[in-house]
Amino acid sequence: KNQVEQSPQSLIILEGKNCTLQCNYTVSPFSNLRWYKQDTGRGPVSLTIMTFSENTKSNGRYTATLDADTKQSSLHITASQLSDSASYICVVSGMDSNYQLIWGAGTKLIIKP
Amino acid sequence: NAGVTQTPKFQVLKTGQSMTLQCAQDMNHNSMYWYRQDPGMGLRLIYYSASEGTTDKGEVPNGYNVSRLNKREFSLRLESAAPSQTSVYFCASSEAGGDRQPQHFGDGTRLSIL
Repeated sequence: KNQVEQSPQSLIILEGKNCTLQCNYTVSPFSNLRWYKQDTGRGPVSLTIMTFSENTKSNGRYTATLDADTKQSSLHITASQLSDSASYICVVSGMDSNYQLIWGAGTKLIIKP
Repeated sequence: NAGVTQTPKFQVLKTGQSMTLQCAQDMNHNSMYWYRQDPGMGLRLIYYSASEGTTDKGEVPNGYNVSRLNKREFSLRLESAAPSQTSVYFCASSEAGGDRQPQHFGDGTRLSIL
């Protein structure tokens, strides 16, 4: 069964610190992997999209990595800010997805001053 | 820069009532989607429309119907609401080839069925 699992479920860090969120997936064959940020009460916003040939992709202080062999991805946040408090969702698209994406349950990140 | 607009933002219904959730996008996107988001779970696709004039079932279509009114608008209808349909509903849109394009989301409709 195609699945996307994220860890940890929640994370609290101090402002200015770095953190890394993890994503493991079983989707096969694989097309691309996305990271979304969802603020409380808002819709998800796309951060990055990576195909199987891309190992790293950055968007400002956000850096996503992908290891298609081990089916793992991570999202690294550098020098965290209070505005980074949100849920971060890993999403995987299969080759035969027919527009359907497999969404993880997300990691809830809280940045404390 | 409206993007994807959903109405209403909140709604409370009684079991058995019907209602339509509205969604409109101003980005000239071909593909549109309806999702539901429940606590502790990933978003689940209800229906999608790859292009104007076409609609297809997603992972959880039972109890819902959709209409792609034109390129801009995609509505979701609950014919006879049930408590299990209590959820947050998100509409999204993407350019053609939605499999490789980012989806742009509205801010959701929070729906409670009593």
